[in-house]
Amino acid sequence: GQQLNQSPQSMFIQEGEDVSMNCTSSSIFNTWLWYKQDPGEGPVLLIALYKAGELTSNGRLTAQFGITRKDSFLNISASIPSDVGIYFCAGQNFGNEKLTFGTGTRLTIIP
Amino acid sequence: SQTIHQWPATLVQPVGSPLSLECTVEGTSNPNLYWYRQAAGRGLQLLFYSVGIGQISSEVPQNLSASRPQDRQFILSSKKLLLSDSGFYLCAWSVRAVDTQYFGPGTRLTVL
Repeated sequence: GQQLNQSPQSMFIQEGEDVSMNCTSSSIFNTWLWYKQDPGEGPVLLIALYKAGELTSNGRLTAQFGITRKDSFLNISASIPSDVGIYFCAGQNFGNEKLTFGTGTRLTIIP
Repeated sequence: SQTIHQWPATLVQPVGSPLSLECTVEGTSNPNLYWYRQAAGRGLQLLFYSVGIGQISSEVPQNLSASRPQDRQFILSSKKLLLSDSGFYLCAWSVRAVDTQYFGPGTRLTVL
């Protein structure tokens, strides 16, 4: 099935660094969601975006709904060890029961 | 508050054996329910979703099936497992007509 393109595929950073990742689609979405998955666990919702241009924060996390409605961005400031995991974006349109998921960005923190 | 349960948490099964994974949701009514599979280091693949009791939509043709015998119960089954069925199986729910999906803890299936 269709998947959104996430980049980068993986990131290796040092603790305290800022992180940026993005998600792009060939088609528009009405809603963008960002999830984080810890190893061996189910994804957990981080941020939900419902309006083009919207900028939403959740603690050190900030996500933006792209103006074109074909992309979204997630930033993490001052990374800490518990930020390690896989980050997934997901898009959805009204009336569609299904989410379209991104390919994921794996974040690793180098000691 | 709503909670979602999956069991078993881990399962090791021989090739050709049957499978039954269960997912239940508490604290909500008439949820949409979803089964996903995740191969090691990969993304999420939607297998089935259900908008109501007895209503199942299949996304990927395979030897798996799903059933929804009760409003908040979703079951994933197979009559004969294949090696390629190994993976991490995730159940999710959402409020009808609302986009956000909430995931369960997952079941790690290893087929030997």
